[in-house]
Amino acid sequence: LAKTTQPISMDSYEGQEVNITCSHNNIATNDYITWYQQFPSQGPRFIIQGYKTKVTNEVASLFIPADRKSSTLSLPRVSLSDTAVYYCLVGPSRSSASKIIFGSGTRLSIRP
Amino acid sequence: NAGVTQTPKFRVLKTGQSMTLLCAQDMNHEYMYWYRQDPGMGLRLIHYSVGEGTTAKGEVPDGYNVSRLKKQNFLLGLESAAPSQTSVYFCASSYTQETQYFGPGTRLLVL
Repeated sequence: LAKTTQPISMDSYEGQEVNITCSHNNIATNDYITWYQQFPSQGPRFIIQGYKTKVTNEVASLFIPADRKSSTLSLPRVSLSDTAVYYCLVGPSRSSASKIIFGSGTRLSIRP
Repeated sequence: NAGVTQTPKFRVLKTGQSMTLLCAQDMNHEYMYWYRQDPGMGLRLIHYSVGEGTTAKGEVPDGYNVSRLKKQNFLLGLESAAPSQTSVYFCASSYTQETQYFGPGTRLLVL
C-alpha cells in the first residue's frame, strides 16, 4: 500500500485559494487518489477522487501530474467552514482486500 | 435513507467489561469497516468486511472482534475493555473500496 506524506497543518484566510499537496511516491498502477474532509466530532466525508490529470467537482479540484507521485487538492475561495482536517489516501486497488491507512492528515485553519 | 448509523453514541465502561458497538447501513454496500481515532490522530483500521459473512483484520485488530451476519450490519465487540481502548470509533461502508461513507462515531471511555 502506497504511503502518503502531507503537511501537518496549514493556515489561510477567507476568500483565498488553498492547495494541499500529498506525496505518494510508491503509488501502484491500479491505485486511485482519494481525499476526505473531517470536521471535529464527525466522521470523515469524501471530497474528491481521481486517477490522473485533473478532476473537478462542486467542492474542490484535484490535480495529478503525469507521474502520479503526488497530488494537489485545491479549495477555491475558502471560508471559515472549510476549517477541518484533510486526509489523502492512495489505493486500495479494486482487485484486493485492503489495509487502509488514513495517516494524520493536514489540519487546515481558515481565519477571517 | 439514513446512510450509516452507529449505536450507541457514547459509552463509559469499567476495565474488564464487555460491550458491542453496532453499525448499520441502508445503502446495500458490500464493504464495511471499523476504525478508531485517538485524539489528534488519524483513523486506524481495526477490522473490515468485504461481504456478508466475511471479516478480515486491519491495522490494529487486537482486543476486538467483529461479525457480519447480515449485509447491513457490522458489529464490533470488546470482550474485556482496557483503558487503551478509550477512543472514538467510526464505522464506514462503501460500494467500492475507494469511497467510504462514515457514521457519526461512538465515543468510548474505559475507566
